[in-house]
Amino acid sequence: DAKTTQPPSMDCAEGRAANLPCNHSTISGNEYVYWYRQIHSQGPQYIIHGLKNNETNEMASLIITEDRKSSTLILPHATLRDTAVYYCIVSVRYSTLTFGKGTMLLVSP
Amino acid sequence: AAGVIQSPRHLIKEKRETATLKCYPIPRHDTVYWYQQGPGQDPQFLISFYEKMQSDKGSIPDRFSAQQFSDYHSELNMSSLELGDSALYFCASSFGRAEVYGYTFGSGTRLTVV
Repeated sequence: DAKTTQPPSMDCAEGRAANLPCNHSTISGNEYVYWYRQIHSQGPQYIIHGLKNNETNEMASLIITEDRKSSTLILPHATLRDTAVYYCIVSVRYSTLTFGKGTMLLVSP
Repeated sequence: AAGVIQSPRHLIKEKRETATLKCYPIPRHDTVYWYQQGPGQDPQFLISFYEKMQSDKGSIPDRFSAQQFSDYHSELNMSSLELGDSALYFCASSFGRAEVYGYTFGSGTRLTVV
């Protein structure tokens, strides 16, 4: 399974864009990049996923590099409610998501 | 929209007792996954079921068992509970191949073993 590397923590000012990086240099051709977040003690929440192309939905944008070895999750206008642990996951095997160490994003006023 | 329903939300058990956690997936979802999240830890995959058959197995202790029923709900049975079993237990469901469509998680069951 491909492994991911994320910074343990990041800060962002409210209203600014939050750009969360993820390295996944061993990703294979048929593995997707998923992003989930977990607000304290709640169930993980799906944000976005992609294979090769950049993706955008109502929550965020996902930018995947051309070589697919890294990606960036962009929250365009962070709010206090976006404070959470963000998980980048590419280790999909037989439809199982394996959570690694995510990034604790703290959005401050 | 309907979500993944887990019951109970909170459960307190004594050591060596048994516990049963229930998960009701989103309607038409055919796959259920169980995760355990200890204090300060990341969610760890336990077991999954697709169309009522076990589809994958993670770090689930032998004291735990699970099954998926004909209505697609799932139950996680935990016996001989230990203090270290205290954790949040999340259930997730998906339709079809999760790597394409993703998972939806429930709000979890907080199990406390005393």
